[in-house]
Amino acid sequence: AQSVAQPEDQVNVAEGNPLTVKCTYSVSGNPYLFWYVQYPNRGLQFLLKYITGDNLVKGSYGFEAEFNKSQTSFHLKKPSALVSDSALYFCAVMQDSGYALNFGKGTSLLVTP
Amino acid sequence: DSGVTQTPKHLITATGQRVTLRCSPRSGDLSVYWYQQSLDQGLQFLIQYYNGEERAKGNILERFSAQQFPDLHSELNLSSLELGDSALYFCASSVEGQIGEKLFFGSGTQLSVL
Repeated sequence: AQSVAQPEDQVNVAEGNPLTVKCTYSVSGNPYLFWYVQYPNRGLQFLLKYITGDNLVKGSYGFEAEFNKSQTSFHLKKPSALVSDSALYFCAVMQDSGYALNFGKGTSLLVTP
Repeated sequence: DSGVTQTPKHLITATGQRVTLRCSPRSGDLSVYWYQQSLDQGLQFLIQYYNGEERAKGNILERFSAQQFPDLHSELNLSSLELGDSALYFCASSVEGQIGEKLFFGSGTQLSVL
């Protein structure tokens, strides 16, 4: 079964510093990987996806993610964190039938001023 | 605003009761997905519909059922409710439910079973 793992429950970073939220995946076949963000009392919002092509994917709000096949990872990154980036971040992989998303357990990002 | 509408936003009910959650997908989207979010289980995929037909099933209990109507709105029915069913239920939609498509999520229905 297609699955992802987010090893960190929480990531703390100071405003202005680079941030990384980790995700590893386990799939059979080609991976279709996504990052979503959830702000308090809101639904999930799409940030970016990797389907094929360039290993560095650029997304919304200045976020990017690097697909690494040898390490089976898809880490989310941002060069300079903002306090407003504080939220819950979910990595997801697309199922190989039906194409729903299987989500990781989420990583809470806290950016302090 | 994602364009996906879920009603009601909050629902408080008692154990043993039955409730119906409603979802209107984005205009033009044919595929609807239901997810359950809880602190202990995280985000769990329940079921997917495409143009009125069930396409994929996830961790949906037998006490739960769903359907998608000809106007493409969907309803999730939860019966014989238990305390453990308290969770945030999300609906999402996509254009055709094809590989690589992103999902658009509603704001959710917070269900509290007392």
